[in-house]
Amino acid sequence: NAGVMQNPRHLVRRRGQEARLRCSPMKGHSHVYWYRQLPEEGLKFMVYLQKENIIDESGMPKERFSAEFPKEGPSILRIQQVVRGDSAAYFCASSPLTENYGYTFGSGTRLTVV
Amino acid sequence: KQEVTQIPAALSVPEGENLVLNCSFTDSAIYNLQWFRQDPGKGLTSLLLIQSSQREQTSGRLNASLDKSSGRSTLYIAASQPGDSATYLCATPLGTGANNLFFGTGTRLTVIP
Repeated sequence: NAGVMQNPRHLVRRRGQEARLRCSPMKGHSHVYWYRQLPEEGLKFMVYLQKENIIDESGMPKERFSAEFPKEGPSILRIQQVVRGDSAAYFCASSPLTENYGYTFGSGTRLTVV
Repeated sequence: KQEVTQIPAALSVPEGENLVLNCSFTDSAIYNLQWFRQDPGKGLTSLLLIQSSQREQTSGRLNASLDKSSGRSTLYIAASQPGDSATYLCATPLGTGANNLFFGTGTRLTVIP
């Protein structure tokens, strides 16, 4: 079991470009969560998805950010027209049927906007 | 809204010492509480998960306790080693069926050889 796989590990984008972050959950996990960790800050919830459904996006910025978890393939967090303030570590977590089994996190994608 | 606080923010101890990390939360209607370890530039490694009906969980040299009524959890590390140096995070979802994990800002532990 390879765990939660995120790629790329590091991503550099110029202001105004698009960033696409990928997350493959653990085998058998049907729930995916995205968290953001700004420099020197704690992790903040962004969005919770199940296959083909966004369940809770209350932590997602209203503009430029979107997420999907298609029937086939990894979950994608997409940031359009990136700005310097988007520079952060983005972590994906997955869980089995319900959160009472706990979360498994990936190693994260570190986005740097130059 | 749940607020999770971890004290101290940083801790430095000599190797071999036993230590306690503290986590407090403002809303006691939690479903479980999870302790994680984060190494610099790395992801989160789950250490212990305590369900709301449990008082403690143990794994090797780690013991985590949970007191819902007082809004506290502690992580006890016995016989600390330099390899234990990392940032320790506690996190909890609010209530049954909640999917939004609230994280503390962590305790940065340094174990001095």
